[in-house]
Amino acid sequence: QSVLTQPPSASGTPGQRVSISCSGSSSNIGGNTVNWYQQLPGTAPKLLIYSNNQRPSGVPDRFSGSKSGTSASLAISGLQSDDEADYYCAAWDDTLNGRVVFGGGTKLTVL
Amino acid sequence: EVRLAESGGGLVKPGGSLRLSCAASEFTFSSYSMNWVRQAPGKGLEWVSSISDGGNHIFYADSVKGRFTISGDKAKNSLYLQMNSLRAEDTAVYYCARDPYDTAGMDVWGQGTTVTVSS
Repeated sequence: QSVLTQPPSASGTPGQRVSISCSGSSSNIGGNTVNWYQQLPGTAPKLLIYSNNQRPSGVPDRFSGSKSGTSASLAISGLQSDDEADYYCAAWDDTLNGRVVFGGGTKLTVL
Repeated sequence: EVRLAESGGGLVKPGGSLRLSCAASEFTFSSYSMNWVRQAPGKGLEWVSSISDGGNHIFYADSVKGRFTISGDKAKNSLYLQMNSLRAEDTAVYYCARDPYDTAGMDVWGQGTTVTVSS
């Protein structure tokens, strides 16, 4: 059972906009920033969004992040076939002397 | 190119030990918070351990506390994970990752090294 809760799956057609949610608590999302990762099959995770809504250099602006209270969301607009991947949210958690917590991951299928 | 490269994975019997290494290139690892993250076969990402820049603060997941030790060697610009008393549930791909923002936003990841714990 992951500390951060994500839907196990999401889907959309090319060109569509999809959103993936991430729910936490006051000790993680509520008090710290949220990060999002994309993991293509057989590869290491890639940082997609950091500090709630910041994109690292090279990440297309089709990807955006937002946070409200103890929940966060990743939005992907203009969906493309190579967006098909697993997506994870992560945040620092202030409990248990401090730790990093991940969501369980959302498998995005492009139909 | 900024890069991380893990090594040291392999097959080990339950109760055994293994030491993973993570060599940093084109940046000084001790100037950043560094993490170990693992992924069991077919499962999601699980954070294992973090060490702050300078090494003053160290954190472990409950699942590995008392068995794993994170450390670094400035001279070799490398991060390590000493894993003792290994269990079947420690079987996973282990990644090292850099956290420049100190907030779980890890911007550079290695390719991963596979640890299999089996008799």
